Amino acid sequence: KQEVTQIPAALSVPEGENLVLNCSFTDSAIYNLQWFRQDPGKGLTSLLLIQSSQREQTSGRLNASLDKSSGRSTLYIAASQPGDSATYLCAVLKTSYDKVIFGPGTSLSVIP
Amino acid sequence: GAGVSQSPSNKVTEKGKDVELRCDPISGHTALYWYRQSLGQGLEFLIYFQGNSAPDKSGLPSDRFSAERTGGSVSTLTIQRTQQEDSAVYLCASSLQGEISGNTIYFGEGSWLTVV
Repeated sequence: KQEVTQIPAALSVPEGENLVLNCSFTDSAIYNLQWFRQDPGKGLTSLLLIQSSQREQTSGRLNASLDKSSGRSTLYIAASQPGDSATYLCAVLKTSYDKVIFGPGTSLSVIP
Repeated sequence: GAGVSQSPSNKVTEKGKDVELRCDPISGHTALYWYRQSLGQGLEFLIYFQGNSAPDKSGLPSDRFSAERTGGSVSTLTIQRTQQEDSAVYLCASSLQGEISGNTIYFGEGSWLTVV
């Protein structure tokens, strides 16, 4: 059974710092991994999706990497801003027709 | 529509009443999920519809909860005899499954349920 964990559960950094959020999964046979952002009181917004054949994806100040063999993904946020404050969740899909499995999320606070 | 649409956005109901929550997925999306999120908590999986396959109901917390998806499109989540612990935001998500699509998942803004 696939289990997804995210460490740390919460993170507070000063504005301008670069930071890394971690996602681990127990079954390395995945189809893809997706990172989401959730603002308080809102639904989830997709940030980046990495297919199993890819090693990383980039969008603006965000870079997500995937190491299937070790069951890990990282989300790198460069030059953090207060507007980056949110909860970040990762989710893995075993096959294209399977149910996605979410991690518990990391709550990020960027202090001005 | 362009995104996943959920209604109502907010619902206040009395304990013991039944409620129905609606989800309109992105047109053509084959997979549909329902999640529940209590205040300050993580996502709790409820049910998963995939194409014409039998739904995965393994996350439904009790037999008071049920969901259906008609015609492979709109879905309704029904909670019977609501309890105060049912108060939460109910999130719907959809994706286009298959090798070509990439399976990006899109969420609605949620239906906030308060049971008084």
